[in-house]
Amino acid sequence: GDSVTQMEGPVTLSEEAFLTINCTYTATGYPSLFWYVQYPGEGLQLLLKATKADDKGSNKGFEATYRKETTSFHLEKGSVQVSDSAVYFCALSDQGYSTLTFGKGTMLLVSP
Amino acid sequence: NAGVMQNPRHLVRRRGQEARLRCSPMKGHSHVYWYRQLPEEGLKFMVYLQKENIIDESGMPKERFSAEFPKEGPSILRIQQVVRGDSAAYFCASSPSTKTEKLFFGSGTQLSVL
Repeated sequence: GDSVTQMEGPVTLSEEAFLTINCTYTATGYPSLFWYVQYPGEGLQLLLKATKADDKGSNKGFEATYRKETTSFHLEKGSVQVSDSAVYFCALSDQGYSTLTFGKGTMLLVSP
Repeated sequence: NAGVMQNPRHLVRRRGQEARLRCSPMKGHSHVYWYRQLPEEGLKFMVYLQKENIIDESGMPKERFSAEFPKEGPSILRIQQVVRGDSAAYFCASSPSTKTEKLFFGSGTQLSVL
């Protein structure tokens, strides 16, 4: 079955540091890939997505590139802010509708 | 436009009791999804409903769990005779269509079984 593996957290960084959160997947078809973010006390929000190989999703300074050859979708940001502190979930959709398979989530803590 | 509303935020039940979790989708959304997050696990799909219909319940445990999305009112996830292993965060999401980028999540209900 489909699965998503992402790096364990928490990831602790200082403000303006470079961020990478690794995500790899296993899927039978050609999935769409997503990053969701969950701020404390809130629901998950779509951060960015990519629907085919070599697509790059980007939003709010975050980027991720769909790498079919390495089955990866790593999340990056060049300079993190304290307000980026949240839990980040990598996910894939391999169905005709919005059924998502999620990773376990990675907590990011950014200190001033 | 209010977001996806889930209530209660926290629910405490003793073993053997029933738990009812409610989800009011965003206005205009007729597709509802329920996910469960066990401790140290990612979110797991449970069930997908459209108004008055269950479309996919492949992630639902076969016993004690049921879901509905009536013509009027919120979607309900019902867990009968709860056990400690049911303790988890339950998230609801809604969308106006099947497109994943239009999916919006609620803040979740944390169920604790004593």
